[in-house]
Amino acid sequence: AQKITQTQPGMFVQEKEAVTLDCTYDTSDPSYGLFWYKQPSSGEMIFLIYQGSYDQQNATEGRYSLNFQKARKSANLVISASQLGDSAMYFCAMRGVQTSGSRLTFGEGTQLTVNP
Amino acid sequence: EPEVTQTPSHQVTQMGQEVILRCVPISNHLYFYWYRQILGQKVEFLVSFYNNEISEKSEIFDDQFSVERPDGSNFTLKIRSTKLEDSAMYFCASTGGLGETQYFGPGTRLLVL
Repeated sequence: AQKITQTQPGMFVQEKEAVTLDCTYDTSDPSYGLFWYKQPSSGEMIFLIYQGSYDQQNATEGRYSLNFQKARKSANLVISASQLGDSAMYFCAMRGVQTSGSRLTFGEGTQLTVNP
Repeated sequence: EPEVTQTPSHQVTQMGQEVILRCVPISNHLYFYWYRQILGQKVEFLVSFYNNEISEKSEIFDDQFSVERPDGSNFTLKIRSTKLEDSAMYFCASTGGLGETQYFGPGTRLLVL
């Protein structure tokens, strides 16, 4: 079975500062993928960034980067230069094909609030 | 940019009624999914669909649920006899391959009264 843990129910950050959202995972799959999605108050799920378990480098997408520490089983999302529009719920998710097919397993989410 | 679409955006129904939620996945994608999110909770997997059949389903996806790809573009989730606890946001997602990113639709917010 797979498990995603997001221990921060809520986070606050000042506009223009960086913030790290924590995610730890547990899986017996030798190969897996880690994802972050953003869910604004309107409800849609927006894909942000992906990290493969065998990727040598940490993933980056614009202001988003993934701090992947395989030995610690963590995949933290770093948002640089926070903007007011970054206020949303953020979900970490994983997929491990051998143990759970292609389904995504989600964490509980972190509600990020960016203060002006 | 191609996107997953879902209709309706909101649906209110009476307990015991049947509902059909519709999705149009990204056109060249081959794998389709339904997830649900009960208000204030995390997103949960319901079912995946490939090559016109269910490839896996969760324990939530019981006999009251069914999925169908009635034509080359639509992908539907049917709930035969809705219960109060079926009230949730239902997301459709699609991907071009098992190792690729799943892209989500905007969701259908279902309220069962």
